[in-house]
Amino acid sequence: GAVVSQHPSRVICKSGTSVKIECRSLDFQATTMFWYRQFPKQSLMLMATSNEGSKATYEQGVEKDKFLINHASLTLSTLTVTSAHPEDSSFYICSAYRDMNTEAFFGQGTRLTVV
Amino acid sequence: GDSVTQMEGPVTLSEEAFLTINCTYTATGYPSLFWYVQYPGEGLQLLLKATKADDKGSNKGFEATYRKETTSFHLEKGSVQVSDSAVYFCALSAFRTGNQFYFGTGTSLTVIP
Repeated sequence: GAVVSQHPSRVICKSGTSVKIECRSLDFQATTMFWYRQFPKQSLMLMATSNEGSKATYEQGVEKDKFLINHASLTLSTLTVTSAHPEDSSFYICSAYRDMNTEAFFGQGTRLTVV
Repeated sequence: GDSVTQMEGPVTLSEEAFLTINCTYTATGYPSLFWYVQYPGEGLQLLLKATKADDKGSNKGFEATYRKETTSFHLEKGSVQVSDSAVYFCALSAFRTGNQFYFGTGTSLTVIP
């Protein structure tokens, strides 16, 4: 089946630095990818919708200047957490569709810890 | 708006016990319904899904039936195993809303030998 690969799976960074998370569709082209965030003991919440070749659409309350999304190709979307703070520590996960009539495939997720 | 309400956990069961995790949804129209499982340290994996009313999704001994009249999609398994210990998420997705997912809060299941 289709595979979505996310990298890195875990990252620890210092406050004030930036971290880039990659989401790749390995065997299909994804014009749309979604980025979710999961706080401890809470559900996944949609952060933004990443569209290839255009600006991402952010959900209400998500700072677009802090969470930079780039979807430069049909197989890669990146999420960059800029000037990270401890409250940004969370589990980030991406998903992609082969096409809108099929199921979504999720990446393995990235556990970000900001110290 | 669309939403999913899921039974809160954590749930602890003995091996071979019967499992039910309740899930109800609110949506306009006819969403697709899903159960995802998250094993410790891993991402989400699709467990089963149903795309229309009265459909039954099943996989690995788990089942859930899309009940439009009760807006429910409860997850069941007749005999759980230690390896079923994970967090289970109920979710819905609709083409009408751009196919984004709305997740329940997740239910942590621990199965003890």
